[in-house]
Formats: sequence, C-alpha cells, structure tokens
Amino acid sequence: KNQVEQSPQSLIILEGKNCTLQCNYTVSPFSNLRWYKQDTGRGPVSLTIMTFSENTKSNGRYTATLDADTKQSSLHITASQLSDSASYICVVSDRGSTLGRLYFGRGTQLTVWP
Amino acid sequence: DSGVTQTPKHLITATGQRVTLRCSPRSGDLSVYWYQQSLDQGLQFLIQYYNGEERAKGNILERFSAQQFPDLHSELNLSSLELGDSALYFCASSVARGGQGDYYGYTFGSGTRLTVV
Repeated sequence: KNQVEQSPQSLIILEGKNCTLQCNYTVSPFSNLRWYKQDTGRGPVSLTIMTFSENTKSNGRYTATLDADTKQSSLHITASQLSDSASYICVVSDRGSTLGRLYFGRGTQLTVWP
Repeated sequence: DSGVTQTPKHLITATGQRVTLRCSPRSGDLSVYWYQQSLDQGLQFLIQYYNGEERAKGNILERFSAQQFPDLHSELNLSSLELGDSALYFCASSVARGGQGDYYGYTFGSGTRLTVV
C-alpha cells in the first residue's frame, strides 16, 4: 500500500534553533517528492521538489534530502524564525506522466517560540 | 497571492443543503485539481479537470460533482451536506496535462472553509 509517514507529528523549538523533519514513504514506482509549507487556514506552498536522481535541494533556510534507496526524506530548517511556524507536508508522486498520483503525509506541525 | 483564486473563503450551511465552491486557476494553467482537508487529516484528492474535461477521480463522493468551464474556472458542487463534510476545500492548478504527479508541480489556492451545522 502506498503511504507517506511523517515524524514527528508536532515539534516545538526556540527561535534561532535548527530542526529536522522526517518523511518515510512506500510509494512505488517513485517519481518525485515535494515538501510543502502550510500556514494555518492557508493553502500549501511548495518549498522543494526532488526527483529520483536528486539527493538534496535547498530553498533559502530549507534544505531537503532524499534517499531513494531507503525511501526516506528529511527537511532541515536552519536558524528558525517565528514565521516558520506552520505544518510541513511531505508529498510523494508515483508517476511523472499521465494520471500520476500524489500521496500526502499528514504533516508535522512546527511551532517556533521566541 | 498564489494566482489561484477560491471563493468564498468561508461558508456556513445546514445539513442537507447544497453549496458551490469556485476556483479560478492561475493564468495559463489548464489543469484544476480539487482537494479536501478535514481537521487533522491529510489532503485528499477529489478530482482533476484538464481544459474542460474530467481527467482523474479520487475519493470523491457521489454527492459531490465538479466541472470546468470554457474560461477554465472550475466549480465543486457539494449536495446533501452532512456534518462530516465540514473541511477545508482546496483547489490547485497547473499548466500541465498530466496527472497529479506531474513534475511541473502546481499551485494551491487559499481554500474555502466549509462548516456544516
């Protein structure tokens, strides 16, 4: 069964600290993996997207890694800011062409305290 | 502003009623996708339209239907509403013809929060 599991479910860190969010998936055949940031009550916003051949991608203070062999991804946030408080969703696609499906994790709720 | 416009932002209605949610895709995007996000649940894919035609169906109830018009805006119709239909409904759009998994990715709107009382 194609699934995406994220951990931890929630995380609280102090402003300025780093953190790492985890994503494990069983989706096959794998096409690409995306990380989204979703502020409360808002639509998800794309942070990174990686294909099978990419093992790291950065977007400012966000760095995503992908290990396609172990089917794991992580999202590392550096020097956290209050505005980083949001849900971070890992999304895996099973196909890059027609009728490919997306599988969504339930997200990690990150809270950054001052 | 993501470029994907959803209206209304909030909707409160009674059980048994019917509502219509509207989505205008980003300029140039031909595909529209609808998602449901219930409290503490992940996003659930409902349906995709490409250039006016239904392209893919997900976990969409028979009480729900959608269409995409010639100007590419889309409407999601929810009927015989139940308390469990209370959720955030998101629309996303992309330029590509492909399914959800298309590499080009897509852009989400800000959602419509539906509350059924």
